[in-house]
Amino acid sequence: AQSVTQPDIHITVSEGASLELRCNYSYGATPYLFWYVQSPGQGLQLLLKYFSGDTLVQGIKGFEAEFKRSQSSFNLRKPSVHWSDAAEYFCAVGAGTNAGKSTFGDGTTLTVKP
Amino acid sequence: NAGVMQNPRHLVRRRGQEARLRCSPMKGHSHVYWYRQLPEEGLKFMVYLQKENIIDESGMPKERFSAEFPKEGPSILRIQQVVRGDSAAYFCASSPLETGYTGELFFGEGSRLTVL
Repeated sequence: AQSVTQPDIHITVSEGASLELRCNYSYGATPYLFWYVQSPGQGLQLLLKYFSGDTLVQGIKGFEAEFKRSQSSFNLRKPSVHWSDAAEYFCAVGAGTNAGKSTFGDGTTLTVKP
Repeated sequence: NAGVMQNPRHLVRRRGQEARLRCSPMKGHSHVYWYRQLPEEGLKFMVYLQKENIIDESGMPKERFSAEFPKEGPSILRIQQVVRGDSAAYFCASSPLETGYTGELFFGEGSRLTVL
C-alpha cells in the first residue's frame, strides 16, 4: 500500500528566507507525486506534480520540487518565502491506475515571520 | 464560477440526524472524489464516482455513509445517524476524463460538518 510521510508538522521561517518541506513516500511502482497548498478554511490547490521526465519540477507561486527515487523523497522548495505563503502544505502520491485516488501526508503548517 | 462547488459550506447536526453534502464538479469533469479531513490530519480518500457509478468506495465506512452521482445533478455524500466522530471537513474533488490524465485533483472549498 502507498503511504506518505511529512516529518515536519510545523515550520517557521522568516520572510525572504529559503524554504524546504520534506516528503517521503512509499509506493511500489513509479509514483505520481503532488504538492498541494491549503489556506485556512479553503480547499486544496495544486502547486506542482511529477509523474515522469525531469526530476526537478516547477510549479506555481515560485515553488519547485525534486523527485529523488533513491531516497523516496519529493521535497518542496522555494528560494525566498513571502508572507502570503503561510498555509498548510500537503504532499500526496497517486496510484497509476486510479490516479485520482491519492494518499495524502498529514501536512506541514508553514508560519512566516515578518 | 467554473470551479468545484460544494454546499453547504458549514453544517451543524445533532447526534442521530442526517447530513447531506453536495458537490458539483468542474465543467467538463466526469469524475468525483470525496475526501475527509479530520482535525490536525491530512485528507483520507473515501469514494470515487463517475456518473451513475461507484468506482471505488474502499475508504467509506461500512455503515451510515453512502454516496451517489446521478445522471443529472450534483454528487451527494450522505451520512445517516451522525455521531460526534463524524465532525470533519469533507472535500469533493473532480477530474477530467482524458487520455494521459495524471491524477491531479481540483478541489472544492469543503463542507465542514459539526455534530453536537
